[in-house]
This record gives sequence, structure tokens and C-alpha cells, in this order.
Amino acid sequence: KQEVTQIPAALSVPEGENLVLNCSFTDSAIYNLQWFRQDPGKGLTSLLLIQSSQREQTSGRLNASLDKSSGRSTLYIAASQPGDSATYLCAVRYQAGTALIFGKGTTLSVSS
Amino acid sequence: GAGVSQSPSNKVTEKGKDVELRCDPISGHTALYWYRQSLGQGLEFLIYFQGNSAPDKSGLPSDRFSAERTGGSVSTLTIQRTQQEDSAVYLCASSLDRGAEAFFGQGTRLTVV
Repeated sequence: KQEVTQIPAALSVPEGENLVLNCSFTDSAIYNLQWFRQDPGKGLTSLLLIQSSQREQTSGRLNASLDKSSGRSTLYIAASQPGDSATYLCAVRYQAGTALIFGKGTTLSVSS
Repeated sequence: GAGVSQSPSNKVTEKGKDVELRCDPISGHTALYWYRQSLGQGLEFLIYFQGNSAPDKSGLPSDRFSAERTGGSVSTLTIQRTQQEDSAVYLCASSLDRGAEAFFGQGTRLTVV
């Protein structure tokens, strides 16, 4: 069964810290991987999309890496801010034309 | 429109009634997905439409659930004879094509009383 796991389930850090969120998947033959952010009571906001041929993608203070051989992706957030507090979701697409499979997310709390 | 639009944003219905949830994808996007998010749970895939191909219905939890996509654009998710366990947030997403970045709507919160 193709599964996506995110660890930790929750994380609390003080403002200014750099942090890493982890995502692992059971089958290394993925098509692409997408990171999302979800604020309470809201929909999902796309953060970064990494294709299977790529090793990393960057957007502002966010950097996502992909290591297919080990079945892992990490989302690095630099200089965290209270506004980064949200649930971060990792989703894997195993083949083009198939749906994304989601992890259960990491809930991040950044205190000022 | 600028993003994926879902309506209604909230729906309260009595057990046993039918409900329809609507999704307007981003213009030009050929792929459309429905997911369900229950309290404290992850996103559960329901159904996927890609262009004119037959939809992938493998995630629909029972035959009370159905969905259609008219003219390759607007989609409607229908739940017949609603049950309390159907209470959840129903999320719709679209992408430009079959493997592209997915964009989500704000969801419809369904409460069955």
C-alpha cells in the first residue's frame, strides 16, 4: 500500500528558529511531490512542487528537498515567524494522471 | 476565476437528506479532484476527473456518493441519504493537466444532524 508519513505530528518553536519538517513515502517511484500549508478552517495553499527529476525547490524562506532513493522529502523553513504557524501537508503523486496521496500533516506553532 | 471556488462554504443537513456540493475549477484546468477531510484525519481521496477520460472513482466510500463534471468544467459531488459519518470538510482541487501542481478551494463544511 502506498502511504505517506509525516513526522513529527506537532512542533513548537520560538520565533527565529530554522526548522525541518519530514515526509516519507513507501514507494520510491514517484512522479512528483507537493507541499501545502493549511490554516485552521481554511483550504490548502500550495507551497512547492518537486518533480521526480529534481532534488530541491526554493521559494523565499522555504526549501524543499527530495531524495527518492530513501523515500524522503524535507521542508526547511528558515527564520521562522509566528505567521508560519499552520499545518503543513506533504502529498505524493505516484503516476501522472493519478490523485495525490496525503500525509496527515505536521502542525507547527511559532511563538513570538 | 482566480482560484478554485466551492459552494456552499457551509451546509447543515438532516440525516437522510441528499446534498449537492459544487466546485468551479480554475479556468483551463483539465484535472479536478475531490477529497474529504474529517476532524483530526488526513485528506481522503474521493474521485478524480481528467479531461474526457472516465473518472477514477476508486475513493468513493459507498454508492451513496457520486460526482459528475459537466462540459469539462464545473463539478458536483452528490451525497444521497446522508449519514452522520458523512460530516466532514469536502475539498476540491484542480490542476492544469494530469501531473501538474494542484490548487485547492476553501472547502465545504458539511454537518449532518
